[in-house]
Amino acid sequence: GAVVSQHPSWVICKSGTSVKIECRSLDFQATTMFWYRQFPKQSLMLMATSNEGSKATYEQGVEKDKFLINHASLTLSTLTVTSAHPEDSSFYICSAREQSQETQYFGPGTRLLVL
Amino acid sequence: EDQVTQSPEALRLQEGESSSLNCSYTVSGLRGLFWYRQDPGKGPEFLFTLYSAGEEKEKERLKATLTKKESFLHITAPKPEDSATYLCAVLGAGNNRKLIWGLGTSLGVNP
Repeated sequence: GAVVSQHPSWVICKSGTSVKIECRSLDFQATTMFWYRQFPKQSLMLMATSNEGSKATYEQGVEKDKFLINHASLTLSTLTVTSAHPEDSSFYICSAREQSQETQYFGPGTRLLVL
Repeated sequence: EDQVTQSPEALRLQEGESSSLNCSYTVSGLRGLFWYRQDPGKGPEFLFTLYSAGEEKEKERLKATLTKKESFLHITAPKPEDSATYLCAVLGAGNNRKLIWGLGTSLGVNP
């Protein structure tokens, strides 16, 4: 149980294009989903928290107009990196949590490379 | 300020050589301490959640324990497939239910 999937697992795009990453909870309803970014040899950095049907809450320093998050259903959240630039290249990981539960379950991650 | 410190930063063991990883924490109102395993290029894999001092949980060769100041992840008779980075995170009463992460312990197990 508690499986979270992400798609795509890796993506290469040209600078200036937009990229959408999907995060799905496969066997539970995720009232809250989180988006993280991880740089090599570093721990996870929380970008934003989204509750189903509500606007996402972004961490300080994260541009909400650049990283668009949608959490329209209890099993799906999407992260769109708009007008991507090489500095946006990173490993993006989502996690999901059930209502009234504390444990987050993570997806396998998406490697983004912007050329 | 809520904080998590993991030690050692890296550890190399021989197959079968048991050891422990440490996660020291300071948090206001612990709501949970979490252990995850992360393999290179993958997302963290959930291992354990501990909620109160004295609690212990086991899974195969792993056992997690919790006190009011720290948690240990004990690895008994490790195998090469246990090689990974082990991450510890805490959830406090504040911080809007955000996890506070340690930097992890990179474990390598030689055959």
